[in-house]
Amino acid sequence: DVKVTQSSRYLVKRTGEKVFLECVQDMDHENMFWYRQDPGLGLRLIYFSYDVKMKEKGDIPEGYSVSREKKERFSLILESASTNQTSMYLCASSPLGEGRLNEQFFGPGTRLTVL
Amino acid sequence: AQSVTQPDIHITVSEGASLELRCNYSYGATPYLFWYVQSPGQGLQLLLKYFSGDTLVQGIKGFEAEFKRSQSSFNLRKPSVHWSDAAEYFCAVGDDMRFGAGTRLTVKP
Repeated sequence: DVKVTQSSRYLVKRTGEKVFLECVQDMDHENMFWYRQDPGLGLRLIYFSYDVKMKEKGDIPEGYSVSREKKERFSLILESASTNQTSMYLCASSPLGEGRLNEQFFGPGTRLTVL
Repeated sequence: AQSVTQPDIHITVSEGASLELRCNYSYGATPYLFWYVQSPGQGLQLLLKYFSGDTLVQGIKGFEAEFKRSQSSFNLRKPSVHWSDAAEYFCAVGDDMRFGAGTRLTVKP
């Protein structure tokens, strides 16, 4: 089974803190993604990466950065957390296939609260 | 840009009843279309996908979806709902990685 793991299920941080969310996949997938999930808005893409050290902005990259130093690991960084970044963060991975999007495999999510 | 609309935020059905969840998309060509399910406390799991060919797609857990180009729709159906189907369901359009807002399904005993 494909496994996507996220470093924390729940996280509480203070405004202005630097926050790291880690994601690891074990299926040698080329593509990895970070989404945030908010009620009524569904999933919105923050960043994705199609290869090591490669990244592309999604729909809502402001306030976030990412790092992909190894194929299996994709990190989301909040440089200075703000209360409007309180959300559920989902990581996903997918193999390289026809088109840019193949089936995605999701982690369980990290619920981040910024106080 | 592609967009996905799920018109129903919340649906309640009785156990054993049939289910249809609606999804409409906006895209110039035939898109890649997906339905995912998110059970409470879980990540999203793929139910089914449509890339090309037969417009009626079978998925896991007894779900199916039909691609209708003329209506720009990809509705999800199940003939008899089980209590374990209670979850949030997301329609997604490929290439641009866009998800709908989701439909929360409640199943009454």
